[in-house]
Amino acid sequence: GAVVSQHPSWVICKSGTSVKIECRSLDFQATTMFWYRQFPKQSLMLMATSNEGSKATYEQGVEKDKFLINHASLTLSTLTVTSAHPEDSSFYICSARTVNYGYTFGSGTRLTVV
Amino acid sequence: RKEVEQDPGPFNVPEGATVAFNCTYSNSASQSFFWYRQDCRKEPKLLMSVYSSGNEDGRFTAQLNRASQYISLLIRDSKLSDSATYLCVVTRNNAGKSTFGDGTTLTVKP
Repeated sequence: GAVVSQHPSWVICKSGTSVKIECRSLDFQATTMFWYRQFPKQSLMLMATSNEGSKATYEQGVEKDKFLINHASLTLSTLTVTSAHPEDSSFYICSARTVNYGYTFGSGTRLTVV
Repeated sequence: RKEVEQDPGPFNVPEGATVAFNCTYSNSASQSFFWYRQDCRKEPKLLMSVYSSGNEDGRFTAQLNRASQYISLLIRDSKLSDSATYLCVVTRNNAGKSTFGDGTTLTVKP
């Protein structure tokens, strides 16, 4: 139980285009999802907290207009990287908190902007 | 000072060795603690939660010392398949924001 499905697994896009990443909780309702970014050889850094039916909360230094988060239902949260640039190339991963206070992660999306 | 700090590693050990990782956290209000395992280019997977009383799962033992604000992970009888990066995760409150350590890389060699 407590599976989070994330896709796409990887995406290559041209600079200036937008990319949408989806995370779905398959067998539970996730009122809150967390979006992280991980650069090579670094740890996961929280970008934003996505709350169902309300605005996301962004961490300091994360541009909310660049990283659009939508959490319109209890099972789906999306992250859209707008006007992507090569420096946005990273591993993006979502997670949701489960009832046992552990976190279930999506499989991650490797974004490469060329 | 980082909110969560881990042994920098890397740890290179032979099969069968016992290895221990430490992690310290700076916020005394932290409430939940976890060890995650991350294989290269894959998502982190929960290895075990860490409780004040300590907990054991097979070859893995996790301990929490609230007074000294550190948690530890002990791996006994290391296997080649234990090679991975181990992440210490600390949650500050029940709202769920977590802070990850930078990870400690373990390589178990034949």
